[in-house]
Amino acid sequence: GESVGLHLPTLSVQEGDNSIINCAYSNSASDYFIWYKQESGKGPQFIIDIRSNMDKRQGQRVTVLLNKTVKHLSLQIAATQPGDSAVYFCAENPFEGTYKYIFGTGTRLKVLA
Amino acid sequence: EAQVTQNPRYLITVTGKKLTVTCSQNMNHEYMSWYRQDPGLGLRQIYYSMNVEVTDKGDVPEGYKVSRKEKRNFPLILESPSPNQTSLYFCASSLGALDTQYFGPGTRLTVL
Repeated sequence: GESVGLHLPTLSVQEGDNSIINCAYSNSASDYFIWYKQESGKGPQFIIDIRSNMDKRQGQRVTVLLNKTVKHLSLQIAATQPGDSAVYFCAENPFEGTYKYIFGTGTRLKVLA
Repeated sequence: EAQVTQNPRYLITVTGKKLTVTCSQNMNHEYMSWYRQDPGLGLRQIYYSMNVEVTDKGDVPEGYKVSRKEKRNFPLILESPSPNQTSLYFCASSLGALDTQYFGPGTRLTVL
């Protein structure tokens, strides 16, 4: 719910503009990355994923970019809509013989009308 | 409808009183996982299960137990809850470990 959104970095974007949300990941050996969207009072919802053998993947209005050199992941949302307002998390699977997941702390996206 | 269900959705309990949060999925998924979500810390993985009778620790397993006797169920057990386990808990499942995870609606637990 709302309480998990406290103290999050916030990105405010005008409706119709493009949004870019960034994430630094921890392990250079990570081989699978996911972006999730969490609306207030709900569980995280899958948006898009990418594997380490790719640099870019596109979905409907969303693009994920992976820069393995600097361990950076970004989510681009085209033509941002009010329904995109939520907290966005990146997650990585640092494959070290396990199938654990590590999530980022999240970014709140606010879409301004 | 394909879904992950959790019960209860809200729970207030006292220190030391054993509790179980149930998680069930109807998608025949092999991978299931429990997370806790706290302000400023994002989601942290507690335990995960690759399949029936196969479980492993996530990043914050202390104070929790899990079991996977059936493919569809993955209960989270707090044998002796403490106030630092007050949190929002999510169960998730996916076809395999590197597939899309579907999350349940969450269980808000308060330990007094």
